[in-house]
Amino acid sequence: SAVISQKPSRDICQRGTSLTIQCQVDSQVTMMFWYRQQPGQSLTLIATANQGSEATYESGFVIDKFPISRPNLTFSTLTVSNMSPEDSSIYLCSVVYRGLQETQYFGPGTRLLVL
Amino acid sequence: KQEVTQIPAALSVPEGENLVLNCSFTDSAIYNLQWFRQDPGKGLTSLLLIQSSQREQTSGRLNASLDKSSGRSTLYIAASQPGDSATYLCAVRPYSGYALNFGKGTSLLVTP
Repeated sequence: SAVISQKPSRDICQRGTSLTIQCQVDSQVTMMFWYRQQPGQSLTLIATANQGSEATYESGFVIDKFPISRPNLTFSTLTVSNMSPEDSSIYLCSVVYRGLQETQYFGPGTRLLVL
Repeated sequence: KQEVTQIPAALSVPEGENLVLNCSFTDSAIYNLQWFRQDPGKGLTSLLLIQSSQREQTSGRLNASLDKSSGRSTLYIAASQPGDSATYLCAVRPYSGYALNFGKGTSLLVTP
């Protein structure tokens, strides 16, 4: 299975600022994703991080608000830009490790509180 | 649009009981279904994955079943322990991609 780390694990930020979250995987993976979990809600996919090309965003999420980088097959960043209190959530990266069943694995998450 | 529902939203049982968590989904065209566990303040831990062609998967005290035609899955936990206390999430993956559609989860409390 993949070992996934995220930095920071948590942060408290002021509105109007930006935060970049890092996701590091211990092995090369083809597919990386960023999810958001708002308080009391389930996980929602923000975007697929594509290596060497622009990320693919889900409906309701835009690149200006959530720019994503994926410079190689083991690393990705998600930036939450011009933050507001509504951005307070847990942000999780996930990967599909191409084993026999293509199980999806998740990082420990980044807890963000925007004041 | 795929909708995933988990019932009950919360469950409290005494230690040692067997229990069943339910998951239903509206679109039966799924590639697989995964059950996760989420502890407070932590990420998700994958428990079981069932391919669309399979009926069930087992791991230790956990057994997950899938009835794709009726859009249902159950997670059976045998001889529950306080350490099983967590939120259990069900997620389905469509044929058309890797993005998972999650339910809101069942919050389980096992009391000593």
